[in-house]
Amino acid sequence: QQPVQSPQAVILREGEDAVINCSSSKALYSVHWYRQKHGEAPVFLMILLKGGEQKGHEKISASFNEKKQQSSLYLTASQLSYSGTYFCGTEIEPGNTGKLIFGQGTTLQVKP
Amino acid sequence: GAGVSQTPSNKVTEKGKYVELRCDPISGHTALYWYRQSLGQGPEFLIYFQGTGAADDSGLPNDRFFAVRPEGSVSTLKIQRTERGDSAVYLCASSLLGVSTDTQYFGPGTRLTVL
Repeated sequence: QQPVQSPQAVILREGEDAVINCSSSKALYSVHWYRQKHGEAPVFLMILLKGGEQKGHEKISASFNEKKQQSSLYLTASQLSYSGTYFCGTEIEPGNTGKLIFGQGTTLQVKP
Repeated sequence: GAGVSQTPSNKVTEKGKYVELRCDPISGHTALYWYRQSLGQGPEFLIYFQGTGAADDSGLPNDRFFAVRPEGSVSTLKIQRTERGDSAVYLCASSLLGVSTDTQYFGPGTRLTVL
């Protein structure tokens, strides 16, 4: 039931792009993306609801492919502040409770 | 305004002891969630409350774990007869209505170490 994130880790240079994927074996109602820095609480990035929408937040955007039960997080022109561990939290059908099952995380390191 | 707060920030206890972990959600948030995060893993769902009632406690590992939210605001996670495997960071989150479109705001967590 836990979604699978890929890759597990990625190292970038400032200005490079990255894609993080989150795949579920269950039908999803929503996907929530968070970033967590070491020793800190997860910080909310965005929510996507089923319907295949795409959302953007500055240089970070995400998509939700309902047919594949997959969401992807796109980080463009990465900055040092993007470093951290990214988690997808998935809400399976019928949903609308906010109960999230998180993936194992993708560690992103951005170097100067 | 104030965010989600959790106390204590760190708790060290001995195997077999009882512990209580407290969560103060954002004022006015009706939904409250407890998660457990082990090193290198994502948050693991434990239980969530809608108001005073536990709407879903399917993530509680066993009957040693119990949580309450008597007045619909502050919640306490209680662990009896602690075991070394209970060591983890316990995270609390709250959201306004507990629906899919709501953002869950996380607290800083309580790091529990069972010796």
